Amino acid sequence: EAQVTQNPRYLITVTGKKLTVTCSQNMNHEYMSWYRQDPGLGLRQIYYSMNVEVTDKGDVPEGYKVSRKEKRNFPLILESPSPNQTSLYFCASSLSGTFLSNQPQHFGDGTRLSIL
Amino acid sequence: DQQVKQNSPSLSVQEGRISILNCDYTNSMFDYFLWYKKYPAEGPTFLISISSIKDKNEDGRFTVFLNKSAKHLSLHIVPSQPGDSAVYFCAVTNAGGTSYGKLTFGQGTILTVHP
Repeated sequence: EAQVTQNPRYLITVTGKKLTVTCSQNMNHEYMSWYRQDPGLGLRQIYYSMNVEVTDKGDVPEGYKVSRKEKRNFPLILESPSPNQTSLYFCASSLSGTFLSNQPQHFGDGTRLSIL
Repeated sequence: DQQVKQNSPSLSVQEGRISILNCDYTNSMFDYFLWYKKYPAEGPTFLISISSIKDKNEDGRFTVFLNKSAKHLSLHIVPSQPGDSAVYFCAVTNAGGTSYGKLTFGQGTILTVHP
């Protein structure tokens, strides 16, 4: 089954403790992206990757790191998490970064992070 | 500064009637526009899109209209069904420009369709 898998689905942690949210896709997609969803703000793009070893900042990259060492994986790293990074996070992938209707983005089911 | 705005946080309609969801954007460089639908506890799913060279795109019960001069797009759902109850996000991109791969979303509108 074609899917985007995020882990963990839920995490409660404390300020300053490094954490990684993994994202993996099995569709051989070149493009991958991370978003966060917050009430009243909708979805905001954090980082995206057009291909292996190519990453770019989205609208809210501060406090986050990513890497794309292989095509299927795109982990999101919070080196020193803070309470304002408490949010619902989504990973997505698509064949390319054009978002055309015949190459839609597929989203994971989300990771809910609580930073205390 | 929000480049994409969905000014209605929620919309309630009766089953069988038309649902109209609206979205405004500020940057005329955006050239591709999308709508996503999101159910609770799931990721968003792509619904329909439109290029700036068109003013209308239809897919079954869903039609997206684009008014470039007003920097406004809308999603029409006819007829509305209870299963359409979800959060709807519009999203915009500049597919032909330097921000290739960047996608900007609106705040979302919660649609509730009553039986």
